[in-house]
Amino acid sequence: QVQLVQSGAEVKKPGASVKVSCKASGYTFTSYYMHWVRQAPGQGLEWMGVINPSGGGTSYAQKFQGRVTMTRDTSTTTVYMELSSLRSEDTAVYYCAREPSAVFWGQGTLVTVSS
Amino acid sequence: DIQMTQSPSAMSASVGDRVTITCRASQGISNYLAWFQQKPGKVPKRLIYASSSLQSGVPSRFSGSGSGTEFTLTISSLQPEDFATYYCLQHNSYPWTFGQGTKVEIK
Repeated sequence: QVQLVQSGAEVKKPGASVKVSCKASGYTFTSYYMHWVRQAPGQGLEWMGVINPSGGGTSYAQKFQGRVTMTRDTSTTTVYMELSSLRSEDTAVYYCAREPSAVFWGQGTLVTVSS
Repeated sequence: DIQMTQSPSAMSASVGDRVTITCRASQGISNYLAWFQQKPGKVPKRLIYASSSLQSGVPSRFSGSGSGTEFTLTISSLQPEDFATYYCLQHNSYPWTFGQGTKVEIK
């Protein structure tokens, strides 16, 4: 069965970076794009970007351009999302979600940005 | 970017009611539209894909329709476990965009 297992909660100071991992299993890792979606407390879902695990190509939402980097490691079937220059507004639950159309989701990683 | 306008943002309904939620896309997205249900503290769950295809395991009281710019999620007879927030998602082109969400509350 498909599983997406994310890394644990993080607490970061403003200006720092965070790297969240998403380990995939139960399917051919390189066959499906992986997306990252975040949800601030009490807010809706916000798409951040996507990575092609096969070639590593990415596409990011304009809002996060220059601050987000998505990478993958095919040897461990893991995708990563790194967000830099963190500010309080980046406090959110971060999800990985697999295509097609986000059928499978990770359990979420709470990132708290606080001084 | 394609904007998704979802309505209503919130609604109160009773068990057994028929509920309809609408999403409008700012430009045509064919049938690249999915619907998700999210309960507090839980991961979103896909209910409908390709505008009208029911996700395996999802009760048949859920249905989706539409193409182009107008889409609808219908719950034919609301059950207690359906009280949640619902989101549409367009995946026709990047950036993917979600509707703002519809919170379905108990009347």
